[in-house]
Amino acid sequence: EPEVTQTPSHQVTQMGQEVILRCVPISNHLYFYWYRQILGQKVEFLVSFYNNEISEKSEIFDDQFSVERPDGSNFTLKIRSTKLEDSAMYFCASSELAVKYEQYFGPGTRLTVT
Amino acid sequence: SQQGEEDPQALSIQEGENATMNCSYKTSINNLQWYRQNSGRGLVHLILIRSNEREKHSGRLRVTLDTSKKSSSLLITASRAADTASYFCATGYNQGGKLIFGQGTELSVKP
Repeated sequence: EPEVTQTPSHQVTQMGQEVILRCVPISNHLYFYWYRQILGQKVEFLVSFYNNEISEKSEIFDDQFSVERPDGSNFTLKIRSTKLEDSAMYFCASSELAVKYEQYFGPGTRLTVT
Repeated sequence: SQQGEEDPQALSIQEGENATMNCSYKTSINNLQWYRQNSGRGLVHLILIRSNEREKHSGRLRVTLDTSKKSSSLLITASRAADTASYFCATGYNQGGKLIFGQGTELSVKP
């Protein structure tokens, strides 16, 4: 069964460094998302992406964040200058949309900022 | 906030019993989705119910939606130890749009 994949599974970085989190959505899906979950807290929406542009973003998704679909399969989240409070599990999700709009999530990347 | 609370926050039952989790929300929705999360792992999609549906079944799962009360419930019948996980509801406000997650219910099924 097709699934969303994410790399790396765990990333440790120093404050102020740039990180890129990678995702491969399900191949026939049209909508892509990033969410995050700070330890012990609820899952929070960051951004949605459709037709090669951001369709919606939350207040969390400030100028430090960017997303890109550099080729036909990858979807990336870049954090330019990481802060301690960016430490969280980051989930990528994708949705077929046309008829079905269930969102399927990847296994997550645990980002630790030291 | 568009999302209310889930209750209970934690639920402990014996194998074979049924588990019911509730979710409330505050504004009109397009759909509501339930997810399972094992400790420290990813979110597994369980079931989606659209705003014009009242009940949906998938295997041992039964989801109801009451849009007049802005609430949903997830029933897991004949629970198993492997059902131990956190369960989240997430509300969608338009097709392809963001999901707003609740705090979740931590279910523990004792063998």
